[in-house]
Amino acid sequence: DVVMTQSPLSLPVTLGQPASISCRSSQSLVYSDGSTYLNWFQQRPGQSPRRLIYKVFHRDSGVPDRFSGSGSGTDFTLHISRVEAEDVGVYYCMQGTHWPLTFGGGTKVEIK
Amino acid sequence: QVQLVESGGGLVKPGGSLRLSCSASGFRFSDYYMSWIRQAPGRGLEWVAYIHSASYYVDYADSVKGRFTISRDNAKNSLYLQMNNVRVEDTAIYYCVRDRRELENWGQGALVTVSS
Repeated sequence: DVVMTQSPLSLPVTLGQPASISCRSSQSLVYSDGSTYLNWFQQRPGQSPRRLIYKVFHRDSGVPDRFSGSGSGTDFTLHISRVEAEDVGVYYCMQGTHWPLTFGGGTKVEIK
Repeated sequence: QVQLVESGGGLVKPGGSLRLSCSASGFRFSDYYMSWIRQAPGRGLEWVAYIHSASYYVDYADSVKGRFTISRDNAKNSLYLQMNNVRVEDTAIYYCVRDRRELENWGQGALVTVSS
């Protein structure tokens, strides 16, 4: 199985400051169709996960533009340009290229 | 808008059975793969199973293979997960999710607790 390794585990941030979360896969996530199935999800306390980013950098409808994704191959990053209070929660990366699909262990974002 | 509503969760004894349902609306259900993803209390996310849009093929995580069965009824816009011979480690919130690679939309989840 493809192992997804996220860092850091915990990310205390100051409101208005940038933040980034790293995600590394144990294999390349480039699929045979040329797409890279790397998604990012946000899970606010007490809520179900919500997809923020798909195929590395495509932002979902309704997701604030302070969220962006980057990376290629095996190294990916979720960026938050200016953290707001509503961004508190756990963020997961997930690969959908290889079966079984697998998730990172999560990064907990909290306000300092 | 897309809505996925799970039902059927509850308390079940080890070795028992439970059937989860997911009612879908807001999109053409018969056009999409569907998946079940679970999350043990305080833990991360784990893929459980997926089913093709016309039920042509399915796949399961090794941890549930031979015990769980995913199915769907496109006429009723419904997805199901039959859970047999459940174990304590199956305790989790089970989410119904649209698609299999991109997991675009999630339901609110159904809590399954396996305990004697």
